[in-house]
Amino acid sequence: AQSVTQLGSHVSVSEGALVLLRCNYSSSVPPYLFWYVQYPNQGLQLLLKYTTGATLVKGINGFEAEFKKSETSFHLTKPSAHMSDAAEYFCAVSEGNTDKLIFGTGTRLQVFP
Amino acid sequence: DAGVIQSPRHEVTEMGQEVTLRCKLISGHNSLFWYRQTMMRGLELLIYFNNNVPIDDSGMPEDRFSAKMPNASFSTLKIQPSEPRDSAVYFCASRTNEKLFFGSGTQLSVL
Repeated sequence: AQSVTQLGSHVSVSEGALVLLRCNYSSSVPPYLFWYVQYPNQGLQLLLKYTTGATLVKGINGFEAEFKKSETSFHLTKPSAHMSDAAEYFCAVSEGNTDKLIFGTGTRLQVFP
Repeated sequence: DAGVIQSPRHEVTEMGQEVTLRCKLISGHNSLFWYRQTMMRGLELLIYFNNNVPIDDSGMPEDRFSAKMPNASFSTLKIQPSEPRDSAVYFCASRTNEKLFFGSGTQLSVL
């Protein structure tokens, strides 16, 4: 069965600083990997996804993530944080193109001026 | 398209009462998921449907929970009887091209 571990339930950065949110996965078959963002009182929105092909994936709002099979990781980065990036971020995995998506416990990102 | 629509937005009820949460899918999406979000356990997949058929309900906590999808665009999640530990935000989501579209959720409080 697949699973996702997000290291750090809270991350705080200054505006303009690098954002790094960590995600490690476990899957018995080649995984599909996702990052979702949740703003207060809203549902989740897709930031980016990795299915096959290029391991560096670019998403919306300047975020990107790199699939590293050897490290079973899919960390999310953004070179320069903006105040509007403050939200909760969820990493998720599915076993290939199956419907079942398993989410991590989330990382709350705070951005200070 | 209005997106995935959930109702009610907030529900406050007393222990023992029946609660019904509703979800309207995006037209053309054929998979429907119900998730529960709590501080302690994060996002948990309760059940999902494909083409109106329940595929995996292993996440449904107990028999008090039931979900139906009477047609391709609508689903309900029922809790009967409700308990305080059911208090959470319940999300439904529909899927197309590996992407989930979430509703805004129903905040359920069971007193």
